[in-house]
This record gives sequence, structure tokens and C-alpha cells, in this order.
Amino acid sequence: EAQVTQNPRYLITVTGKKLTVTCSQNMNHEYMSWYRQDPGLGLRQIYYSMNVEVTDKGDVPEGYKVSRKEKRNFPLILESPSPNQTSLYFCASRLEAGGLADTQYFGPGTRLTVL
Amino acid sequence: RKEVEQDPGPFNVPEGATVAFNCTYSNSASQSFFWYRQDCRKEPKLLMSVYSSGNEDGRFTAQLNRASQYISLLIRDSKLSDSATYLCAVNGAGGFKTIFGAGTRLFVKA
Repeated sequence: EAQVTQNPRYLITVTGKKLTVTCSQNMNHEYMSWYRQDPGLGLRQIYYSMNVEVTDKGDVPEGYKVSRKEKRNFPLILESPSPNQTSLYFCASRLEAGGLADTQYFGPGTRLTVL
Repeated sequence: RKEVEQDPGPFNVPEGATVAFNCTYSNSASQSFFWYRQDCRKEPKLLMSVYSSGNEDGRFTAQLNRASQYISLLIRDSKLSDSATYLCAVNGAGGFKTIFGAGTRLFVKA
């Protein structure tokens, strides 16, 4: 089954404790992206990747890191989480980096709470 | 001003009603446009792409007005199952960045 998976689905942590949210897709998609969703603000793009070893900042990259060492995986790293990073996070992928009309497929989301 | 703006609603409509949502975007260089549906606490799923010529899929019609920089979604004969949040999304020049609206909440009642 074609899908985007994220782990963990739920996480409660404390300020400053490094964490990684994994994202994996099995569709051989070039493009992957991370979003956060907050009430009243909608989905905001954190980082995106056009292919292996090619990443760039979205609109809200502060406090986050990403890497794309393999085509299928795009982990989101919070080196020192803070309470303002409490949010619902979605990973997404689409077939081609320049595929303007391509559908983005979203993972099921990770609900992160930073105390 | 936000790059992509939607009326947050909520829109409360009876079954069978026709409802329309608009979404405005500020970047005239935007290249592609989409409507997504999101159920509570779930991931967004593509509802329709939006083309200059307009497109229709059953009870759903999407249109793009480049001159006025807005996209619209029309839902005819609303069903209870249409209750959800509808997000518009705009790809900027180059297509790498996607900007989402904050969503419009729809409640369809029996």
C-alpha cells in the first residue's frame, strides 16, 4: 500500500530534550516536506527536500533540522524543543520536486507536546 | 496580510444545500492551486486540483480567477459526510513551497 508513515504518532517531552520524528514514504517520491499545524494558523511549511541531500527552509524553520540521506526517509529533528513547538506535525511527499500539479500525500500526523 | 486567506467559518448548512468557499492569494506568481479536505485530527487529503478552466468532480466544482487572485470551491447537494475542514493550498513559483490557508470549517446538518 502506497503511504507516508510517521513515528511516533504521539509524544510528550520536556524542554531541551532532543527528539526526532521519523517520516518514510514507499512511493519513490522525490519531494518531501514537513508542516506544522496550529489552531487558526493552518499548515505552515517547516522544511522541504527536493531529493536526496537537497533540502531548503520553508516558512517556519527556526528550531528544526532535517536530513535526507535516503530517498524514502526525511526525519525532523528538534535539537532543543521548547513549548512553542507544541503542535501537530505532518510529513508529506509528492512524486516530482518540480511537479507543480502533483498531489501531496500526507502522513497521519505526530502530535507533539513540549512541557 | 497572510499569503493565502480563507474565511474560517464555520459554515452551518442543511443537507442538500449548496455552499461556496473562497480563498484569496497574494502572490501573483503562484503557479498551482489545490483544495484539500481535512477531517478532525486527521491528515489533509487532496480533494481537487484547480485549473484556469475550472474543474468539476461530481458535486464539487473548483475555479480559479487569476485576475482577482482567488480560487473557489462549490459543493452542491451537501451531505452529512461533507462535514470537514477545507484547506486551500497554493504552490509558489518553482513549486517547491506550498502555502496553505488556515481552512474553512463546514458543518452539514440533517
